[in-house]
Amino acid sequence: LAKTTQPISMDSYEGQEVNITCSHNNIATNDYITWYQQFPSQGPRFIIQGYKTKVTNEVASLFIPADRKSSTLSLPRVSLSDTAVYYCLVGDMYTGNQFYFGTGTSLTVIP
Amino acid sequence: AAGVIQSPRHLIKEKRETATLKCYPIPRHDTVYWYQQGPGQDPQFLISFYEKMQSDKGSIPDRFSAQQFSDYHSELNMSSLELGDSALYFCASRPGTSTWTGELFFGEGSRLTVL
Repeated sequence: LAKTTQPISMDSYEGQEVNITCSHNNIATNDYITWYQQFPSQGPRFIIQGYKTKVTNEVASLFIPADRKSSTLSLPRVSLSDTAVYYCLVGDMYTGNQFYFGTGTSLTVIP
Repeated sequence: AAGVIQSPRHLIKEKRETATLKCYPIPRHDTVYWYQQGPGQDPQFLISFYEKMQSDKGSIPDRFSAQQFSDYHSELNMSSLELGDSALYFCASRPGTSTWTGELFFGEGSRLTVL
């Protein structure tokens, strides 16, 4: 059911910027792109959402090209506490349907 | 702020038994989603409800059923439990589409262990 593809894992040193790319080639007109963070044995936590171009909040930025077939989550200056699994979801904002998780990206931040 | 409440947090059952998980959404949220996450796996969408009606259906086994009640809480009923049903079950809620900013609010999950 998943409509997204992400790298399985990434490593980064503390203090670096991390960019995680998600591919969603079959994104539909009503679909929005949402990113979640999940720690072991905890519920996923919302990070950021966007439809097109660039969105920024206090913890991350989301870059979406004009064709919307991919998106990139950017985490500035990661810390050890950012070690988690990151998921990109593409779902219909009008019906609220099809918010399916794909294979997330396991980010490990190294001291 | 009120969050999504799931109960029980932990549940141990034997094979072929039944189990019921409950989800209490954030107040004024009318939509509930259920996900199953096996050990080391990604969350799999099971089913969702909007205004007490099923709105989307995913990989929910026929042995499972769910419903949403008039107070918007939801229950996931699992029968003839199998070892493979051992997982974390997450519930998420959101408000109606007109006020929704796109965030799904997840509970802390119910851990089911089938022996």
